[in-house]
Amino acid sequence: DGGITQSPKYLFRKEGQNVTLSCEQNLNHDAMYWYRQDPGQGLRLIYYSQIVNDFQKGDIAEGYSVSREKKESFPLTVTSAQKNPTAFYLCASTVGHHGNQPQHFGDGTRLSIL
Amino acid sequence: QQQVKQSPQSLIVQKGGIPIINCAYENTAFDYFPWYQQFPGKGPALLIAIRPDVSEKKEGRFTISFNKSAKQFSLHIMDSQPGDSATYFCAASGGSNYKLTFGKGTLLTVNP
Repeated sequence: DGGITQSPKYLFRKEGQNVTLSCEQNLNHDAMYWYRQDPGQGLRLIYYSQIVNDFQKGDIAEGYSVSREKKESFPLTVTSAQKNPTAFYLCASTVGHHGNQPQHFGDGTRLSIL
Repeated sequence: QQQVKQSPQSLIVQKGGIPIINCAYENTAFDYFPWYQQFPGKGPALLIAIRPDVSEKKEGRFTISFNKSAKQFSLHIMDSQPGDSATYFCAASGGSNYKLTFGKGTLLTVNP
């Protein structure tokens, strides 16, 4: 079955630690996205990538980094510079390069601070 | 310019009722308006979407109504069921904007 796989499902971060969230898709989609979801805040865009080896900052990119070395993979690193990392992180992908296409989401990674 | 305002924040209806969730946008370049459904611990899933060349779209029990002049669109759920209890997000995108802008969500509870 085609889809988006996010791992791990739960992740704990210690002070000063960088952690990496995995996102893999086998939908052959061009564009991939990372969102942060906080209670009552909806989904806020962290980073997006429309093509391999290229990515753009979203609305809340500070304290995060990404890479896009392969079409199917778009890992997100939450760095120690992100002072409030506790949230539900969602990865999405879409065919084509425009926002006016359906986005398919993974089932998320819940990150908490130890 | 990029905001999508969604209301209400939460909604409780009885089984068989017709919950209505409303969204308003500001950017007239938006030309794609999807609705997503999210269950706890899961990612959002596309429910139904509309483009501004039509005023209404139905898929099963779900209907989107779109008012271009008012820059508003809404989701109606006919004959709602307890299994429809979830968080619903409206969103919008278009023009040179490659991003999807989401509303803040509506938590719907359908009581048996």
